[in-house]
Amino acid sequence: GAVVSQHPSWVICKSGTSVKIECRSLDFQATTMFWYRQFPKQSLMLMATSNEGSKATYEQGVEKDKFLINHASLTLSTLTVTSAHPEDSSFYICSARASGRTGANVLTFGAGSRLTVL
Amino acid sequence: DAKTTQPPSMDCAEGRAANLPCNHSTISGNEYVYWYRQIHSQGPQYIIHGLKNNETNEMASLIITEDRKSSTLILPHATLRDTAVYYCIVRLGSGNTGKLIFGQGTTLQVKP
Repeated sequence: GAVVSQHPSWVICKSGTSVKIECRSLDFQATTMFWYRQFPKQSLMLMATSNEGSKATYEQGVEKDKFLINHASLTLSTLTVTSAHPEDSSFYICSARASGRTGANVLTFGAGSRLTVL
Repeated sequence: DAKTTQPPSMDCAEGRAANLPCNHSTISGNEYVYWYRQIHSQGPQYIIHGLKNNETNEMASLIITEDRKSSTLILPHATLRDTAVYYCIVRLGSGNTGKLIFGQGTTLQVKP
């Protein structure tokens, strides 16, 4: 079945530094990937839609200059949290839909990346 | 997208069937019902989806009412590993952006 891998699974960084999270589709190509964040005891919140070869589409209220998304190939999307601050500490999760799939929108999710900013 | 309503929490005895309800009274004719679950500190896992007919796979069964305004996810023999947050999402099928918007879901606690 479809597998999505995220790296790193957890990261601790100092305030003011930037952190990059990778999302890879291992056995399928994904023209579209999605990035979510999740705070403790809350549901997943969609941050942006990552499109291969074009700019990401951000949800309302998400700062595009703070959360840089690059989708350079059909199997890799990256999320960079720039100048991270403690309030950016969260669980970041990516998902992907296989290219060319028809029918219902079944997404495969990564295991998530837990970011802690000190 | 149609809004869904789920109970915030449910308990189930291990080995018994877990029946998780979902109301989606404003669903339109071309919208599917999806179920995902999230075990603590992991990414969501796809369970099942359906449009009109009842569906069954190795994980669960999905029962959709005839008017499609509600559905029930059935885990036939719940185990402790089924303890998770279960999300019911209504969304269009192919030909759209594909993004899924998560509500608060139902926290299912399977007890020994």
